[in-house]
Amino acid sequence: DAKTTQPPSMDCAEGRAANLPCNHSTISGNEYVYWYRQIHSQGPQYIIHGLKNNETNEMASLIITEDRKSSTLILPHATLRDTAVYYCIVRANQGGKLIFGQGTELSVKP
Amino acid sequence: EAEVAQSPRYKITEKSQAVAFWCDPISGHATLYWYRQILGQGPELLVQFQDESVVDDSQLPKDRFSAERLKGVDSTLKIQPAELGDSAMYLCASSLNEDGYTFGSGTRLTVV
Repeated sequence: DAKTTQPPSMDCAEGRAANLPCNHSTISGNEYVYWYRQIHSQGPQYIIHGLKNNETNEMASLIITEDRKSSTLILPHATLRDTAVYYCIVRANQGGKLIFGQGTELSVKP
Repeated sequence: EAEVAQSPRYKITEKSQAVAFWCDPISGHATLYWYRQILGQGPELLVQFQDESVVDDSQLPKDRFSAERLKGVDSTLKIQPAELGDSAMYLCASSLNEDGYTFGSGTRLTVV
């Protein structure tokens, strides 16, 4: 599974968009980009995933560059409850395991 | 919404003692995973089951850790004997297909 690189921490003002970057320069053609988040003392929670195209759901948007070497998770209107560690993971679709890195600790401030 | 159940929520044990954690996955989920998360780090996969069979236990310290899923439903992870370095959060997850993993709330183990 390809490795990912994320900044260790980020701050965001409440109500503003939070843009979390992820580099995955060694991603291969059959690997998807997944995002999970983990709120303190809870298990990780699935947010979104994508292969090539940008994706949007009720929680977030995922923007993947054309060369697929990086992506950005966007929380359009961050709230205090979005304070968490966000993990970017690349994973093969068939039988690929979720391998977590260190993630980005997002702090949403009033 | 269906959940992955784990118990106990917290466990304190003395080193050299045995300890066990239980996980009940979402009904119908054939794949079950155990992860260990040391404070400040991301979760690390310990073992993966497909139904009752172990698919991957390459990261499981087999000298002291064991995992079973006898009927292909709930699962138990055991540590014997526990060591101070085993203090961590133990997370269980299950999945129906290749997409979403659903995680439980975990068992926080403290070895004293």
